[in-house]
Amino acid sequence: ETGVTQTPRHLVMGMTNKKSLKCEQHLGHNAMYWYKQSAKKPLELMFVYNFKEQTENNSVPSRFSPECPNSSHLFLHLHTLQPEDSALYLCASKGQGSRSGANVLTFGAGSRLTVL
Amino acid sequence: AQSVSQHNHHVILSEAASLELGCNYSYGGTVNLFWYVQYPGQHLQLLLKYFSGDPLVKGIKGFEAEFIKSKFSFNLRKPSVQWSDTAEYFCAVNSYNQGGKLIFGQGTELSVKP
Repeated sequence: ETGVTQTPRHLVMGMTNKKSLKCEQHLGHNAMYWYKQSAKKPLELMFVYNFKEQTENNSVPSRFSPECPNSSHLFLHLHTLQPEDSALYLCASKGQGSRSGANVLTFGAGSRLTVL
Repeated sequence: AQSVSQHNHHVILSEAASLELGCNYSYGGTVNLFWYVQYPGQHLQLLLKYFSGDPLVKGIKGFEAEFIKSKFSFNLRKPSVQWSDTAEYFCAVNSYNQGGKLIFGQGTELSVKP
């Protein structure tokens, strides 16, 4: 366990479904991230939240909708996805300041999404 | 375009062979550099990092990396690999000029034959 928990670990959905991915961190970090990991491609940064405020949207299609109700929780709401959206979605968190481990991303195990 | 390049997509080695995985980046200014590892079926975990100081950094499991600023490189090395090192390795760069975003290379898959 890394301190960053993602659920569900696996999700299969049709193109008309609505589902959500959840991320929770128990590290006291104040920044949270969504990355997309596709085979043979670099990890793609999707969204960044600092202190619950979205600070980065990396040109992500609107069928992906993030939500960050507090510094410990991050959601990714999914609707009308396409088969090419099938990937491993990784959540990460990061602390700040001078503490040991600050400015280093800690990743969750990921949610494997398959869009049929 | 700003990028992180890992030259090797798939490396196959026998146990006890030496390893060097290349990583180059194109960002200017101050950078923080990372290597992450993803073992089969597991989460990404930090192998080592460079923020400042000695450009030769040592990480977990006998890995080390050398930051060569003039070459914009941060190559990962291990003198003698083990079967348990089979994993995917990702280089990542955090550039202050890019607002502190962590940008990853495409990864290198390492297969170690017993």
